[in-house]
Amino acid sequence: QVELVESGGGLVKPGGSLRLSCAASGFIFSDFYMTWIRQAPGKGLEWVGQVSSGLSSIYYADSVKGRFTISRDNAKNSLFLQMNSLRAEDTAVYFCARAGSTWEFDHWGHGTLVTVSS
Amino acid sequence: QSVLTQSPSASGTPGQRVTISCSGGSSNIGRNFVSWYQQFPGTAPQLLIYRNNQRPSGVPDRFSGSKSGTSASLAISGLRSVDEANYYCASWDDSLSCYVFGTGTTVTVL
Repeated sequence: QVELVESGGGLVKPGGSLRLSCAASGFIFSDFYMTWIRQAPGKGLEWVGQVSSGLSSIYYADSVKGRFTISRDNAKNSLFLQMNSLRAEDTAVYFCARAGSTWEFDHWGHGTLVTVSS
Repeated sequence: QSVLTQSPSASGTPGQRVTISCSGGSSNIGRNFVSWYQQFPGTAPQLLIYRNNQRPSGVPDRFSGSKSGTSASLAISGLRSVDEANYYCASWDDSLSCYVFGTGTTVTVL
């Protein structure tokens, strides 16, 4: 069965950096687009960005463009989110999700909490 | 950025039908597929509807989706207490080149 497990969250000071990972199993990772989505405490869902199966296309939300970088290692079935210049408003639970054939998010990880605070 | 608008709440008694609306524009819902997600507090969202009206395997047929123009709807028929959750619509936005989620609707079973 499809499984996505995020890791790497934690407490970081404003201006700091953090790298999230998402380990995938149960499907052919290299066949699918992968996505990062976040949810601030008590708030709704916000799409962060998406990477194509072969890394040829990467999209970002305006709110993170220039600060966050999405990458993937198909050999290791892993998705990454490098977050730099972190701000208080980046505090959220970060989910990785698999994008289906029409880019619906058909499987989600449990999420990892990132807290940006001094 | 939430460019898809949903009513904040919806409610009904067990067995009733509840409809949640999602209003967007010509660059998102008007041109692209809509998907819907169900989220219980403290857990990850789950896909409920994709391609406007398709249900993944395992999703009860009490849930149905539709789209017309720049709006979409999720209907829950035969409402049950287990349906109490937050529901989000989503669609790709061609103008913004990003995915956009709705503002979310909390469904309460009275």
